[in-house]
Amino acid sequence: EIILTQSPGTLSLFPGDRATLSCRASQTVNNNYLAWHQQKPGQAPRLLIYGASTRAPGFPDRFSGGGSATDFTLNISRLEPEDFAVYYCQHSGAFGQGTKVEIK
Amino acid sequence: QVQLQESGPGLVKPSETLSLNCSVSRGSISSYYWSWIRQAPGKGLEWIGYVYYSGDSDFNPALGSRVTMSLDTSEKQFSLRLSSVTTADTAVYYCARGRWFYDTSGYIWYFDLWGRGTLVTVSS
Repeated sequence: EIILTQSPGTLSLFPGDRATLSCRASQTVNNNYLAWHQQKPGQAPRLLIYGASTRAPGFPDRFSGGGSATDFTLNISRLEPEDFAVYYCQHSGAFGQGTKVEIK
Repeated sequence: QVQLQESGPGLVKPSETLSLNCSVSRGSISSYYWSWIRQAPGKGLEWIGYVYYSGDSDFNPALGSRVTMSLDTSEKQFSLRLSSVTTADTAVYYCARGRWFYDTSGYIWYFDLWGRGTLVTVSS
């Protein structure tokens, strides 16, 4: 069973800043089958990235995913007001505990 | 556009069984892992389990034998039953669609579509 650990727990940034979120797996994620989900307050999560680096439809290119094996990152190049949310990584039945990106 | 919609009681008494349905509008109900995920107030996401159209299923070991799931292909619905609930089962319950793959480590999936979620409170 893979355990996913996200860091940091909270990221306090200004609009326009770059955000870098980390997701570390307890064992190798074969074929980079790692996904990221975005959840805004009071809303359901929404798929953002799958296959570690492929953006889901509807998300702009300021979102990018990368990494391999056990270390994965989600980057948001220039934070827009609508990007402040909680982000979860996921592999099969495992979720990370989430990183909250909040306005500084 | 495929949509998922949860339905069921919002209040369940301790020791009773929580029952929820998820309706799949448009699209095929085969070839996906139809899943339930929950989120306790202020907490993260917890996978409950999935059911496949063939009848195969898999559940979170942490929930043990309290979970059963079923799928009705003719009605395009799938359901969750969680028995012997306690206040710790109070959460928003989401249904979700899982896209699966098979590789050397077994079956792997990610959730590409979520329902809006429904709050279930366990209280007497």
